[in-house]
Amino acid sequence: DVKVTQSSRYLVKRTGEKVFLECVQDMDHENMFWYRQDPGLGLRLIYFSYDVKMKEKGDIPEGYSVSREKKERFSLILESASTNQTSMYLCASRLWDRDQPQHFGDGTRLSIL
Amino acid sequence: AQKITQTQPGMFVQEKEAVTLDCTYDTSDPSYGLFWYKQPSSGEMIFLIYQGSYDQQNATEGRYSLNFQKARKSANLVISASQLGDSAMYFCAMRERQGGSEKLVFGKGTKLTVNP
Repeated sequence: DVKVTQSSRYLVKRTGEKVFLECVQDMDHENMFWYRQDPGLGLRLIYFSYDVKMKEKGDIPEGYSVSREKKERFSLILESASTNQTSMYLCASRLWDRDQPQHFGDGTRLSIL
Repeated sequence: AQKITQTQPGMFVQEKEAVTLDCTYDTSDPSYGLFWYKQPSSGEMIFLIYQGSYDQQNATEGRYSLNFQKARKSANLVISASQLGDSAMYFCAMRERQGGSEKLVFGKGTKLTVNP
């Protein structure tokens, strides 16, 4: 069965900290995605990657960076956390076939104090 | 301009009845795909059903079916025989090409409440 694992379910950090959110998938998927979800705004794409060491900006990349050194792992980095980055973060992965669905992790609820 | 529009912020349905959740989309790409996801209060996103733009028939998956009207650019989700466990947020999404891959653009969602 498909499995996407996010390292933390809940996380509390302070303003200015560097924050790492980790995502691992065990399905050998080529594509991986990071979203943030806020009430009334739906899911918005931050970054995605279609291959190891490849990355593309999504709709709201400002204040974030990503790393994909291995196929199974995709990390989201908040370089200097700010309170407006308090949100639910969702990771997803997908096969190369664009007609296939994205499979999501359980999400990380991040609070920046 | 919004590419995926879900006009119903909230919907209510009685248990065992059918319900339709609306989704309209906007694209100039002749080849596209539409997905529906369910998000219970626990937070995980669950894939429900997919419709490709060239599919001749409406997609079905168990109690879920898609009322796909290409000319109207609508892809409404129909849930038959609603169950209490169907209470959740429902998101419509469309795949869109960007760079070397395809991404999903999501609507803002519809909150469905099933009443006993």
